[in-house]
Amino acid sequence: QLQLQESGPGLVKPSETLSLTCTVSGDSVTNTDFYWGWIRQPPGKGPEWSGSVYSSGGTYYNPSLKGRLTVSLDTSKNQISLTLRSVTAADTAVYFCVRQSRARTFDIFWGQGTLVTVSS
Amino acid sequence: EIELTQSPDSLAVSLGERATLNCKSSRSVLYSSNNRNYLAWYQQKPGQPPKLLIYWASTRESGVPDRFSGSGSGTDFTLTISSLQAEDVAVYYCQQYYSIPTLSFGGGTKVEI
Repeated sequence: QLQLQESGPGLVKPSETLSLTCTVSGDSVTNTDFYWGWIRQPPGKGPEWSGSVYSSGGTYYNPSLKGRLTVSLDTSKNQISLTLRSVTAADTAVYFCVRQSRARTFDIFWGQGTLVTVSS
Repeated sequence: EIELTQSPDSLAVSLGERATLNCKSSRSVLYSSNNRNYLAWYQQKPGQPPKLLIYWASTRESGVPDRFSGSGSGTDFTLTISSLQAEDVAVYYCQQYYSIPTLSFGGGTKVEI
């Protein structure tokens, strides 16, 4: 049974770097059938796809975050990482880890999410 | 980038009445090779992740009550709740997955009683 568990600091100061980890159980991040990535949802707003990666190393980023965001895989720990630099209050959100099928089918699995607040 | 616009922003419906939610895409999400619309609907309650209701624009997820139905094709889609129940109070989002892995979501419609 697939499980995605997000973890990281709940509070980050403005201008600093936000780092989150998603631990995968029930599948391997080396599975080439899937993209692994992140969706975030600011308070009171709709979800926003942030970025995805797959095991060959290909990465895809939301243009609104490109330049500040890195999504990567740690195959030794079976984890997905998110690093967002130079954060502001606008980056306050619930961050969800997701797995998406690379085939043209519908297969999107969400983690439960973790709230990150950017504040001094 | 495919943009999704939902209307209305909020909707007040009496118990047992019909709710109609709309989602318009900036580009067609109909994939001609398989004639499928790459559009999903989610329900979200406070403090919870989005819950999948509908995919392929009209296929109900297992366990979702049949009062929820999806329709539409190309750029215009509708989620209908045929007889609103108290537990249906939530925010509803449409999502396109035509351009995977890039996903986009509508701004949401809040359904109240």
